[in-house]
Amino acid sequence: EAQVTQNPRYLITVTGKKLTVTCSQNMNHEYMSWYRQDPGLGLRQIYYSMNVEVTDKGDVPEGYKVSRKEKRNFPLILESPSPNQTSLYFCASSTGFGTDTQYFGPGTRLTVL
Amino acid sequence: GQSLEQPSEVTAVEGAIVQINCTYQTSGFYGLSWYQQHDGGAPTFLSYNALDGLEETGRFSSFLSRSDSYGYLLLQELQMKDSASYFCAVRDWRSGSARQLTFGSGTQLTVLP
Repeated sequence: EAQVTQNPRYLITVTGKKLTVTCSQNMNHEYMSWYRQDPGLGLRQIYYSMNVEVTDKGDVPEGYKVSRKEKRNFPLILESPSPNQTSLYFCASSTGFGTDTQYFGPGTRLTVL
Repeated sequence: GQSLEQPSEVTAVEGAIVQINCTYQTSGFYGLSWYQQHDGGAPTFLSYNALDGLEETGRFSSFLSRSDSYGYLLLQELQMKDSASYFCAVRDWRSGSARQLTFGSGTQLTVLP
């Protein structure tokens, strides 16, 4: 089954404790991205990657890091989480051309205390 | 920068037709997409317009007027399961890449029996 998976689905952590949210896709897509979703603000892009070892900042990259060492994986790293990073996070992948349909993962709900 | 405006809420009855508008401001416009998101779920792709005109997919249609920087999603024969949030998203050229998406803040559609 074609899908994007994320782990964990839910996470409660404390300020300053480094964490990683994993994302993996099995569709051989070149393009992957991370979004955060907050009430009333829609989906805002954090980082995106057009291919292995190619990443770039989205609209809200502060406080986040990413890496793309393999085509299928695109982890999101919060080196020192803060309460304002409490949000719902989505990973997405796409072919990067045509309709560029974004296939979203199930989401990770993160709470930083 | 990029900005999109869409109504925050729309209510309609089962069997009716509803139109969700989206106006945008962006440089290097490439295309307009629509996504549906049910509560607690991930966004899913509905339609994409790169050229002016109407695109029809079953009960859903999407329209684009690039000269007016305007588009809409038309949902016909509304069903209870259409109750969800609907997001427009602009794909535009930034830093030499056409693969960045900016999402609107979403329209919550409530379908009443």
